[in-house]
Amino acid sequence: AQRVTQPEKLLSVFKGAPVELKCNYSYSGSPELFWYVQYSRQRLQLLLRHISRESIKGFTADLNKGETSFHLKKPFAQEEDSAMYYCALKGGGSNYKLTFGKGTLLTVNP
Amino acid sequence: GAGVSQSPSNKVTEKGKDVELRCDPISGHTALYWYRQRLGQGLEFLIYFQGNSAPDKSGLPSDRFSAERTGESVSTLTIQRTQQEDSAVYLCASSLTGSGTEAFFGQGTRLTVV
Repeated sequence: AQRVTQPEKLLSVFKGAPVELKCNYSYSGSPELFWYVQYSRQRLQLLLRHISRESIKGFTADLNKGETSFHLKKPFAQEEDSAMYYCALKGGGSNYKLTFGKGTLLTVNP
Repeated sequence: GAGVSQSPSNKVTEKGKDVELRCDPISGHTALYWYRQRLGQGLEFLIYFQGNSAPDKSGLPSDRFSAERTGESVSTLTIQRTQQEDSAVYLCASSLTGSGTEAFFGQGTRLTVV
């Protein structure tokens, strides 16, 4: 079974502070992990994927298979980062089911 | 089309009525997903279609919910005998298959059962 856990429903930081949104997963195979973001009044959209090892808008996320985690990090938060963030897992092989965590609402205060 | 399209964007229905929600995926996308997003809650998986394989219906909350997809095109989500707890935003997404492929989301249908 696929499971994604985001332990923090709400996270509030000040502008310029580091931010880390936690994500843990459960999957028996080799999953693909993603972070999706939903800004106010916009569609849910992809932020980044572990397979690309990319940094988008200053955010990075490293897949830690030992800890089954995929935490999202940014060293200096900006007000425009305020949004709902969802961690997602896609099964490997021929299984492409996409499972989301419950999401974390990030608020960056001025 | 430019992206995933859902219709209607808003639907108000009376308790007990049936509703049908439509999703037009991006052309060529073999995978299609339906999710429910209740107010203040995260994404709740409902159903997943992958090509011609049997759909994964494990997230449907009751037998009042059903969904169909014709080939790799339009999908409809039907809710029979709607209840107030069905009120939510229903999101559809589609994707290609393969490693690293992202899901593209529609704007959602906001369903209100009164």
